[in-house]
Amino acid sequence: DTEVTQTPKHLVMGMTNKKSLKCEQHMGHRAMYWYKQKAKKPPELMFVYSYEKLSINESVPSRFSPECPNSSLLNLHLHALQPEDSALYLCASSQDLGLAVTDTQYFGPGTRLTVL
Amino acid sequence: AQSVTQLGSHVSVSEGALVLLRCNYSSSVPPYLFWYVQYPNQGLQLLLKYTSAATLVKGINGFEAEFKKSETSFHLTKPSAHMSDAAEYFCAVTYTGTASKLTFGTGTRLQVTL
Repeated sequence: DTEVTQTPKHLVMGMTNKKSLKCEQHMGHRAMYWYKQKAKKPPELMFVYSYEKLSINESVPSRFSPECPNSSLLNLHLHALQPEDSALYLCASSQDLGLAVTDTQYFGPGTRLTVL
Repeated sequence: AQSVTQLGSHVSVSEGALVLLRCNYSSSVPPYLFWYVQYPNQGLQLLLKYTSAATLVKGINGFEAEFKKSETSFHLTKPSAHMSDAAEYFCAVTYTGTASKLTFGTGTRLQVTL
């Protein structure tokens, strides 16, 4: 099973709302990622977790708060977002960081976020 | 700094024709290169990857790519396009020491016509 699942598929929120995106994988992968993808653009890395610890934060604004409660789950908590944060948010996982730089990243289908 | 350049944001081919999507990389150290495909409203799916084992890499759905160091290229090809190949294609690069941090190209949208 090479599936990464993401919920919800679509999310509409106001600028004062608090919401969360959820990502799950059951492949035993120890590295998980959040990407942001604007329309007609490539994905941009936001965060990387390795063994449930934050490894990389690509200078993402604090209104995005990641959380890795266990090795299978990755959340992205959203608060006070701006309309320009509207995008497709992709989660990915890979077996490990560093041991094999060529580890395949498996992507989920994404959550389409609209901020009003 | 590492980067990849995809020439042609849109490529249109007839069904049954050769598909050629271009990717050139810039890296001061040996790169590891990937091609991903993204169908509408979906996530990314790995087509193939170059890991320095063999310069000609075969992937899924009949795609292949050849790593050419002298040309700093990793172009994606398929001998015969199918309607189902219509999608966005991304080339990506990483290298040892970047903790699997992928740098993506800007993408090429492939259109397949009858």
